[in-house]
Amino acid sequence: GEDVEQSLFLSVREGDSSVINCTYTDSSSTYLYWYKQEPGAGLQLLTYIFSNMDMKQDQRLTVLLNKKDKHLSLRIADTQTGDSAIYFCAESKITGGGNKLTFGTGTQLKVEL
Amino acid sequence: EAGVAQSPRYKIIEKRQSVAFWCNPISGHATLYWYQQILGQGPKLLIQFQNNGVVDDSQLPKDRFSAERLKGVDSTLKIQPAKLEDSAVYLCASSSREGAKNIQYFGAGTRLSVL
Repeated sequence: GEDVEQSLFLSVREGDSSVINCTYTDSSSTYLYWYKQEPGAGLQLLTYIFSNMDMKQDQRLTVLLNKKDKHLSLRIADTQTGDSAIYFCAESKITGGGNKLTFGTGTQLKVEL
Repeated sequence: EAGVAQSPRYKIIEKRQSVAFWCNPISGHATLYWYQQILGQGPKLLIQFQNNGVVDDSQLPKDRFSAERLKGVDSTLKIQPAKLEDSAVYLCASSSREGAKNIQYFGAGTRLSVL
């Protein structure tokens, strides 16, 4: 399909791990990104992964990439209440007009005490 | 380093009125983007500038939307006339160089309500 797909909602308990999943569309995407959006704010880049990697770890964040299935996931270890936000995955497509990001629909993460 | 600045933060207008949004990118960033984010959706690219030239405006509804970046720094996005379906958050982003990595930094956005 044409859309980058994510599940809409995820609820976890504080201290647990969160896993947010994304299915992207373009197998030629060079980089894939995870952005975080808190209420009333713009998007903040969390991490990204180059397409020739299958895993990247950055402190509490682990990104897994399965190119064959075009599946991307973000794992947040020891989830805190401050992690409550909407998380967007995005793929980068080279087009005639330059380098274009296509975002998923976003996953709202709710962290409960 | 100052981030991407946008104004106003909020705007309420009636349908058929005009509205303009302003964006000041991070200093030195040559590439500037305007996105529309409808509630419950991800951002959708409206237009991309490289310096003061348009790189991609394929998703911009040109009958009512216009954007400019005359001196290759600040940018304005205008809607004239506005429709109810234009209610959204308009995000501006900038990046330092055009390349495969394409790290985009976002402003806080302007929330537009069309009544």
